[in-house]
Amino acid sequence: DAGVTQSPTHLIKTRGQQVTLRCSPKSGHDTVSWYQQALGQGPQFIFQYYEEEERQRGNFPDRFSGHQFPNYSSELNVNALLLGDSALYLCASSAPVGTIYFGEGSWLTVV
Amino acid sequence: QKEVEQDPGPLSVPEGAIVSLNCTYSNSAFQYFMWYRQYSRKGPELLMYTYSSGNKEDGRFTAQVDKSSKYISLFIRDSQPSDSATYLCAMKEGSNYQLIWGAGTKLIIKP
Repeated sequence: DAGVTQSPTHLIKTRGQQVTLRCSPKSGHDTVSWYQQALGQGPQFIFQYYEEEERQRGNFPDRFSGHQFPNYSSELNVNALLLGDSALYLCASSAPVGTIYFGEGSWLTVV
Repeated sequence: QKEVEQDPGPLSVPEGAIVSLNCTYSNSAFQYFMWYRQYSRKGPELLMYTYSSGNKEDGRFTAQVDKSSKYISLFIRDSQPSDSATYLCAMKEGSNYQLIWGAGTKLIIKP
């Protein structure tokens, strides 16, 4: 049983560019959340998707947007990249009632 | 003041010792408490999941929640060098979807 899978694992972008990160949830999970983790800090909640709708959003600007597809996979899009967006982006999946599992993350470096 | 406080360490102990890791929090509405282990440049791995107060044991790991003191602990018995990692606590309200995280404690087990 594959766990939460994320792609790409590493990427480098230039300030002002746009990036798309992808996530496939664990089998049987229908809820996907995205977190940003800066070095030396705990993850920060970006948003959660359920039934293809954004169910809850953290304190992130509108440059951060997402999507969930009918197969429950999800994308995180970040526009107008800033140097401060450099971080590990984590996808988490869960079932309606249950524990939350994380993928290995996508390392984004903005130069 | 952060909602969840966690000593960043590093905490260095000899192999075989009992390790105690702790978090304090300020939000009395938190009901679900988790401990994750994160190896360098990897995604968080769920270790323990506890609802409300009490103790939970799983192998060498024991999680304790004291809601009256707003204090949670993770104990690791017979610690091994492979336990060297960053340990993050996370918690959530019952009606909220986002996890609130501590900054993580870096643990080093010396052979």
